[in-house]
Amino acid sequence: AQSVTQLGSHVSVSEGALVLLRCNYSSSVPPYLFWYVQYPNQGLQLLLKYTTGATLVKGINGFEAEFKKSETSFHLTKPSAHMSDAAEYFCAVSDHHDMRFGAGTRLTVKP
Amino acid sequence: NAGVTQTPKFQVLKTGQSMTLQCAQDMNHEYMSWYRQDPGMGLRLIHYSVGAGITDQGEVPNGYNVSRSTTEDFPLRLLSAAPSQTSVYFCASSYGTTEAHTDTQYFGPGTRLTVL
Repeated sequence: AQSVTQLGSHVSVSEGALVLLRCNYSSSVPPYLFWYVQYPNQGLQLLLKYTTGATLVKGINGFEAEFKKSETSFHLTKPSAHMSDAAEYFCAVSDHHDMRFGAGTRLTVKP
Repeated sequence: NAGVTQTPKFQVLKTGQSMTLQCAQDMNHEYMSWYRQDPGMGLRLIHYSVGAGITDQGEVPNGYNVSRSTTEDFPLRLLSAAPSQTSVYFCASSYGTTEAHTDTQYFGPGTRLTVL
């Protein structure tokens, strides 16, 4: 079965600094990979996803992620953090109808 | 479109009580699912449905029942609540094409359940 590991349950950055949230996956078939964001007291929203094709995927709000098969990674980045990026971020891998989520990384943005 | 709606927002139960968490979507999505979210564990799939009349178990199905009599509704039943079922429950839906595993899921706002 597929699985996801998110490195770091909490990440803190200063406003304007680079955001890097790490995700490694395990899958026996070609993976379909997702990043979702959860703002306080809300459901999850899709940031971006990788299915096939270009390995660098651009999402909403300036986020992007790169699929690296050799490293089994799908790290999420944003060049310049904004206060509104403070939220919890989940990496997920999907195989047919079974989607597995990582434990989540809480991003704090300091002024 | 209201998207995915869930009721109630909050619920407190006593051990052994039963209840139904409601989920509805107005996007004509075929695929619907229920997750529970616990601290440090992310979201775990409880049950899912690929269309009306079809349901299947996810990663943590024990203690929960589902049915899908219409495309729009996917209720989750707790038959005899236990403290271990204290969690936040999310319902989600997606188009459910033949490439369902690539579909974007749309999540409801969640139900926070406490079992005493």
